[in-house]
Amino acid sequence: EVQLLESGGGLVQPGGSLRLSCAASGFTFSNYAMTWVRRAPGKGLEWLSAIGGSGDDTYYADSVKGRFTISRDNSRNTLYLQMDRLSAEDTAIYVCARTFNWYFHLWGRGTLVTVSS
Amino acid sequence: EIVLTQSPATLSLSPGERATLSCRASQSVGSYLAWYQQKPGQAPRLLVYDASNRATGIPARFSGSGSGTDFTLTISSLEPEDFAIYYCQQRTNWPLALTFGGGTKVEIK
Repeated sequence: EVQLLESGGGLVQPGGSLRLSCAASGFTFSNYAMTWVRRAPGKGLEWLSAIGGSGDDTYYADSVKGRFTISRDNSRNTLYLQMDRLSAEDTAIYVCARTFNWYFHLWGRGTLVTVSS
Repeated sequence: EIVLTQSPATLSLSPGERATLSCRASQSVGSYLAWYQQKPGQAPRLLVYDASNRATGIPARFSGSGSGTDFTLTISSLEPEDFAIYYCQQRTNWPLALTFGGGTKVEIK
């Protein structure tokens, strides 16, 4: 079955760090660019970061540039998002998505990140 | 940063009626616009890409149109399963920026 499964969310204190994972299955992972998107409570969808199939090219939204780092391990079919210096504004459901021509063709269900003391 | 504004925020219609959803960009995005449908508890589903191309498996009652700054998603005759939230999304290549509109909720009248 073609699917994406996120993990690693949870409760973290302001200023803390968290690493999210996204396990891909059912398709050739390295053939696709991958992205992270989030939805904060009461807000819409926000694109955060993207990475090319080989992992050589990475892209970030201004809101997370310098704090978040995207990476992938094609041997493990896994996408990562390292999140540092978290604040309450980062509280959201984080979703990984497979893209083609920078449109989102396949989405995970998401993992909840709560930043609170 | 390109901002996408969707209208209306909520559309109250009955099954069988025609739905017309609007997405306006703060500057031209050419034809690089997509539409998604999201139902409660489910992941979004790609409906239309490059403004007017239906994604694989999407029924013909969904159609997209527009270019530049003004785009429309039309559902010709609403089915019960079409009541959901719809988002538009644009892509800008250099530098890469992907942004979403705020969404339109299509609800049963």
